[in-house]
Amino acid sequence: DVKVTQSSRYLVKRTGEKVFLECVQDMDHENMFWYRQDPGLGLRLIYFSYDVKMKEKGDIPEGYSVSREKKERFSLILESASTNQTSMYLCASSPAGSGNTIYFGEGSWLTVV
Amino acid sequence: QKEVEQNSGPLSVPEGAIASLNCTYSDRGSQSFFWYRQYSGKSPELIMFIYSNGDKEDGRFTAQLNKASQYVSLLIRDSQPSDSATYLCAVNGVDNFNKFYFGSGTKLNVKP
Repeated sequence: DVKVTQSSRYLVKRTGEKVFLECVQDMDHENMFWYRQDPGLGLRLIYFSYDVKMKEKGDIPEGYSVSREKKERFSLILESASTNQTSMYLCASSPAGSGNTIYFGEGSWLTVV
Repeated sequence: QKEVEQNSGPLSVPEGAIASLNCTYSDRGSQSFFWYRQYSGKSPELIMFIYSNGDKEDGRFTAQLNKASQYVSLLIRDSQPSDSATYLCAVNGVDNFNKFYFGSGTKLNVKP
């Protein structure tokens, strides 16, 4: 079974703090993704990576950065957290190529106060 | 911006009935289509995928794809209360096969 692990499930951070969300996948997938999910807005892509050290902006990259130093690990960074970044963050991975399924981690619930 | 549209619901059906969930997409060149189920507070899990026009069946679930109409649906036969969840439609990007676009989901309630 594919396993995508998000190490932090529930976090509470203060406005202005730097926040790291970590994600590890164990299936040697080329692609990794960070989404956020908010009620009524569905899943919105923040960034994705198709290879080590490669990244591409999604639909809502503002206020976020990412790091992929190893194939299995993809980190989302909030340089200076703000209250409008309170959300559920979902990491996902997929093999490269058309038609391949995307697999999700369990999600990280971030509250910024 | 690729668009994947779903009725947010809630869609309420009695136990044992057929639930029909619908999704339209804007990019005519899309190739791969996925249905995910998401329970409240949990992450999405894959139910089915479909690539070709027509129907694809897997147990109580049937996915239907009509590329000419840019329409994909999910039928759940013999609906159970445990099927109550939000169902997300996803489409592979045309410009980049590695990208996925999601609808906002349809909430299904199956009443005992």
